[in-house]
Amino acid sequence: DIVMTQSPDSLAVSLGERATINCKSSQSVLYSSNNKNYLAWFQQKPGQPPNLLISWASTRESGVPDRFSGSGSGTDFTLTISSLQAEDLAVYYCQQYYTDPWTFGQGTKVEIK
Amino acid sequence: QITLKESGPPLVKPTQTLTLTCTFSGFSFSASRVGVGWIRQPPGKALEWLAVIYSNDDERYSPSLKSRLTITKDSSKNQVVLTMTNMDPVDTATYYCARRRGNDPPDSWGQGTLVTVSS
Repeated sequence: DIVMTQSPDSLAVSLGERATINCKSSQSVLYSSNNKNYLAWFQQKPGQPPNLLISWASTRESGVPDRFSGSGSGTDFTLTISSLQAEDLAVYYCQQYYTDPWTFGQGTKVEIK
Repeated sequence: QITLKESGPPLVKPTQTLTLTCTFSGFSFSASRVGVGWIRQPPGKALEWLAVIYSNDDERYSPSLKSRLTITKDSSKNQVVLTMTNMDPVDTATYYCARRRGNDPPDSWGQGTLVTVSS
């Protein structure tokens, strides 16, 4: 299985400040034949299912605010929230869908400082 | 509008078999390479993928749980059923179903159903 490791486990950021979450995979999720990274980011608020924010490492889903951005390739990826809003309080997960079994990171909890 | 809804018993006893149903609308298995998968989340813990079934009947399972899981689909009813045998208290979790299109990540999720395993 591909192991996904996120850092940090939790993060306290002031409103309006930048939040950065890292995700590392135990093997590359870059598919050479199409040059795509099979890496997604999800946001999960309490009592709700995960919500897909970003696919292919950097493609924002429709309706996702542009303060959310994804970057990285191969085994190292980053989710950045450029200006944290109160509604961004949540747990964020990375997920690889390069191969079965799909695997998720352990989650990063974003809190207000 | 795409919706998925999980249903099943909220409480099962240890050693029993759990049967969960995902009923969906807004898409169908007639489309090429559509998949419906199951993911669970123990209280306060991370997400764990369990299984997925695709429109071509391809089934994939989590290696660690493969011996306990069976996933089936009923295209005429727009349903996917997951059975998990020999339930244990550590299987207590919210169970989600989610749709996958082609090689994309799961983009639509149900609200989840909490299953508690206790005698």
